[in-house]
Amino acid sequence: DQQVKQNSPSLSVQEGRISILNCDYTNSMFDYFLWYKKYPAEGPTFLISISSIKDKNEDGRFTVFLNKSAKHLSLHIVPSQPGDSAVYFCAPPGEYGNKLVFGAGTILRVKS
Amino acid sequence: GAVVSQHPSWVICKSGTSVKIECRSLDFQATTMFWYRQFPKQSLMLMATSNEGSKATYEQGVEKDKFLINHASLTLSTLTVTSAHPEDSSFYICSARDSGRPNTGELFFGEGSRLTVL
Repeated sequence: DQQVKQNSPSLSVQEGRISILNCDYTNSMFDYFLWYKKYPAEGPTFLISISSIKDKNEDGRFTVFLNKSAKHLSLHIVPSQPGDSAVYFCAPPGEYGNKLVFGAGTILRVKS
Repeated sequence: GAVVSQHPSWVICKSGTSVKIECRSLDFQATTMFWYRQFPKQSLMLMATSNEGSKATYEQGVEKDKFLINHASLTLSTLTVTSAHPEDSSFYICSARDSGRPNTGELFFGEGSRLTVL
């Protein structure tokens, strides 16, 4: 049972433009969502989070939007930079609020 | 910021041998650590939850006797791949939650360990 889905395996964006990465979830009990960024052969690093009591959280170039009724998250990166090229994972907390359940990830390529 | 260190970062072993991977939280205590496995071009798959002072909780389909987890202290968890076979070759990543900040939801990840079994 896939509780988190990132339906776009990859995304290619021109430098300076907006990157939009999407994530859908099935469990309405999720109350906290996190985005992680991962470079090849490295562990993921935390990027940005959002609590279910909010519908938007912004941190510099990164903004996460939450639509609870649609069970949908999106991460906006603007302006996109070549260094943003990585795999992005959407990760709502798991069943017990401890473990993370990762989506399949979206590979972002920012072209200069 | 919180740092999680994994060792070794890269290991090659012969089929049938056992390999131990360490995961250490360097500047915080972690009663709970997690072990993930990543196959090429795939997502991170949670293998088990490592609990300090008690038995690990394994995800469905993960062999307990194959992947031994020990969480002997608040800063160290180890994953031992026993009788390794080529299909065990993968990228293993650990993560830890800061026990002093349990409500943030954030996990800190190690750098990962690349295991190649010949």
